[in-house]
Amino acid sequence: GESVGLHLPTLSVQEGDNSIINCAYSNSASDYFIWYKQESGKGPQFIIDIRSNMDKRQGQRVTVLLNKTVKHLSLQIAATQPGDSAVYFCAENYAAGAGSYQLTFGKGTKLSVIP
Amino acid sequence: DTAVSQTPKYLVTQMGNDKSIKCEQNLGHDTMYWYKQDSKKFLKIMFSYNNKELIINETVPNRFSPKSPDKAHLNLHINSLELGDSAVYFCATGQGGNQPQHFGDGTRLSIL
Repeated sequence: GESVGLHLPTLSVQEGDNSIINCAYSNSASDYFIWYKQESGKGPQFIIDIRSNMDKRQGQRVTVLLNKTVKHLSLQIAATQPGDSAVYFCAENYAAGAGSYQLTFGKGTKLSVIP
Repeated sequence: DTAVSQTPKYLVTQMGNDKSIKCEQNLGHDTMYWYKQDSKKFLKIMFSYNNKELIINETVPNRFSPKSPDKAHLNLHINSLELGDSAVYFCATGQGGNQPQHFGDGTRLSIL
């Protein structure tokens, strides 16, 4: 199940099941979105991205869905494996003016895979 | 070869000291960034820098200053360290625009 509170939201999933991690973004002007995976002691690692002119994009075992109407992103991981255990972040990118872009991260969700 | 490398990986120091964290990239990207990750894993942009422009997050104290000796490096200098500076600092690089950023493995800064 998923818990939200003062601590990092956690999603516990049985190995082999599918995982869905959700994210709400804040800026309706954002036109590019990225999912990152962060393992313990490592930096965020790019998983998949999607531009605002799309509503779905698939990678290897991962799918990102974008709903601009409600400013919602989700990351689906098929056949979750122990190696998928990590903290997952969504990030939104928007033009901040003067030719620069700003990447803003969501709060993160910790995925724990139960063997 | 590590695309974005930071040194040191761990930094333990006393309050009031001045310290630097180094970042080097071999991706040839034009823009480099510094982020701070707090104990709740929240990642916040501190600076973005390319050879033309430094953009500073207004919430960052002026004790923090990025310095870029060349396009492949963006170092972070911190003066008069405070307890609240304890965090993990990440360097990242990107091509700008709608492209993903690539992160180093972080520097864990602990202030005693």
